[in-house]
Amino acid sequence: GAVVSQHPSWVICKSGTSVKIECRSLDFQATTMFWYRQFPKQSLMLMATSNEGSKATYEQGVEKDKFLINHASLTLSTLTVTSAHPEDSSFYICSARETSGTNIQYFGAGTRLSVL
Amino acid sequence: GQNIDQPTEMTATEGAIVQINCTYQTSGFNGLFWYQQHAGEAPTFLSYNVLDGLEEKGRFSSFLSRSKGYSYLLLKELQMKDSASYLCAVSRSGATNKLIFGTGTLLAVQP
Repeated sequence: GAVVSQHPSWVICKSGTSVKIECRSLDFQATTMFWYRQFPKQSLMLMATSNEGSKATYEQGVEKDKFLINHASLTLSTLTVTSAHPEDSSFYICSARETSGTNIQYFGAGTRLSVL
Repeated sequence: GQNIDQPTEMTATEGAIVQINCTYQTSGFNGLFWYQQHAGEAPTFLSYNVLDGLEEKGRFSSFLSRSKGYSYLLLKELQMKDSASYLCAVSRSGATNKLIFGTGTLLAVQP
């Protein structure tokens, strides 16, 4: 149980375009999902907390107009990187925590974004 | 604020035991997690400690001392596939119990 699916796993796009990443909890409901960013050989940096039915909470220094988050249902959150630039190239990972359960976060497989 | 420290790299021998330490300073502590992450993959959950003491799960054990702000992950009977980064993460109490990750410890298991 506790499977989180993240799609796509790899995306290459041109500078200036927008990219949408999906995060789904397959076998449980998740009121709260999290979006992280990870640079090579570094740890995970929390970008924002996605709350079902309400606005996301962004960490300090993360541009909310740049990284749009939508959490329309208890099993789906999306992250859209708008007007992507090469410096946005990174590994983006989502996680989900069961609505009624432990404090454990389960992670998706990650999305590697390369902006040309 | 919060601060989580763990060694950057460690090397161990196949079949041996290795202990990865993690110290933390945070307000509103609500548990400590250990995750394993292979290169280019997402982290996988290993253990969760919220009370003091040792939690054992197969070859992996995790210990927590809240008064000392200290935890360790113990890996026994090391296998080559255990070569990975091990991430210590602290959960902060609040509406969302978000996790704050340490920089991770890259473990290399040698034959």
